[in-house]
Amino acid sequence: NAGVTQTPKFQVLKTGQSMTLQCAQDMNHNSMYWYRQDPGMGLRLIYYSASEGTTDKGEVPNGYNVSRLNKREFSLRLESAAPSQTSVYFCASSEYRGHYEQYFGPGTRLTVT
Amino acid sequence: SQQGEEDPQALSIQEGENATMNCSYKTSINNLQWYRQNSGRGLVHLILIRSNEREKHSGRLRVTLDTSKKSSSLLITASRAADTASYFCATLLQGAQKLVFGQGTRLTINP
Repeated sequence: NAGVTQTPKFQVLKTGQSMTLQCAQDMNHNSMYWYRQDPGMGLRLIYYSASEGTTDKGEVPNGYNVSRLNKREFSLRLESAAPSQTSVYFCASSEYRGHYEQYFGPGTRLTVT
Repeated sequence: SQQGEEDPQALSIQEGENATMNCSYKTSINNLQWYRQNSGRGLVHLILIRSNEREKHSGRLRVTLDTSKKSSSLLITASRAADTASYFCATLLQGAQKLVFGQGTRLTINP
């Protein structure tokens, strides 16, 4: 039982490049989330998927797209990376929306130069 | 502005002392959750308290919730070096589907 896994762990991109961050959970959770965390800040929600087949914008969705591929997997895509997207990205899952605890992945540290 | 705001932003105490962190929020909530984050790691859930609860305990953790004051506190008793981490409160607004996280309290336990 791996919980929430994220790939890659580290990534360096040049401005304008694209990439996809992968997230998978093996807990049969309905809801999945993508957050970003900047130094000294809390977490800001980028996108979330309350249940399979649905996705919704969070607080800071600009510059990102998501895909809920199936119940297990939720990917985050940066189409044209910008230095402002340098951050640590966390994926999380929970059984049902915000009514239960969230389980977090280990994070992806992304640097855009 | 942030729904949940922790106070203090940073706290440094001696091992064995108790640590208290506070969280204030602005609108009615369904539940409030506390998470811990060790340096460079993901967040780990500590405890969830629902809006109709006033106090919960889990091991050395005690959480209180005062909905009239829109505030919560997290008490860690008999602190240990391993408690050094950042602590975040997160609130589920009534009718919402997602948590809103505060900016965290950085706790340092000195040996």
